[in-house]
Amino acid sequence: DADVTQTPRNRITKTGKRIMLECSQTKGHDRMYWYRQDPGLGLQLIYYSFDVKDINKGEISDGYSVSRQAQAKFSLSLESAIPNQTALYFCATSEPTGGPNTGELFFGEGSRLTVL
Amino acid sequence: GDSVTQMEGPVTLSEEAFLTINCTYTATGYPSLFWYVQYPGEGLQLLLKATKADDKGSNKGFEATYRKETTSFHLEKGSVQVSDSAVYFCALSERGGSNYKLTFGKGTLLTVNP
Repeated sequence: DADVTQTPRNRITKTGKRIMLECSQTKGHDRMYWYRQDPGLGLQLIYYSFDVKDINKGEISDGYSVSRQAQAKFSLSLESAIPNQTALYFCATSEPTGGPNTGELFFGEGSRLTVL
Repeated sequence: GDSVTQMEGPVTLSEEAFLTINCTYTATGYPSLFWYVQYPGEGLQLLLKATKADDKGSNKGFEATYRKETTSFHLEKGSVQVSDSAVYFCALSERGGSNYKLTFGKGTLLTVNP
């Protein structure tokens, strides 16, 4: 089983609908992230959380919200989806600073969202 | 701010050809440097990393050397295979206060033909 699991893997929805993408992890990491990938643009950070009580905006947080329900769960919501939010979304985790893998991200397999 | 610039693709090679994907960075401190690989339909996974100047990261026949003087971390492989077809991302991680922030390049699509 994957250490970082995203659901759903694929979703097609219509403009104006509310969408939630879920992420769960078994790595025991405190830090979790949501990224968006668009062709030719690399990865852009949407939100990140360093523990259950800590939520931070990334580069492109407008139109998105998140919820950290537990150490292992981090959800991304689109309150009213629009077509330019069509993209591949990745959840990732990382160790706390000072560990042997400091700075390294561990990614889920991605959730492809299409907004019509 | 921090930034990563990598060569634009797509790159198309024949099997057993030599591969170089250039990556340069801008950072204020002493970042760690990474190459991630994304195979079709999958998430990103770490390919190799280097945490200080002159370190060489290597994995699966790929290598990259952390060059502080040229702020570069170019990815190389002596003989590519069809299975190396993927998107490759260069990234840096720099400490800001007590936490690290990862910055990615835009990715380079590599296609290896038989």
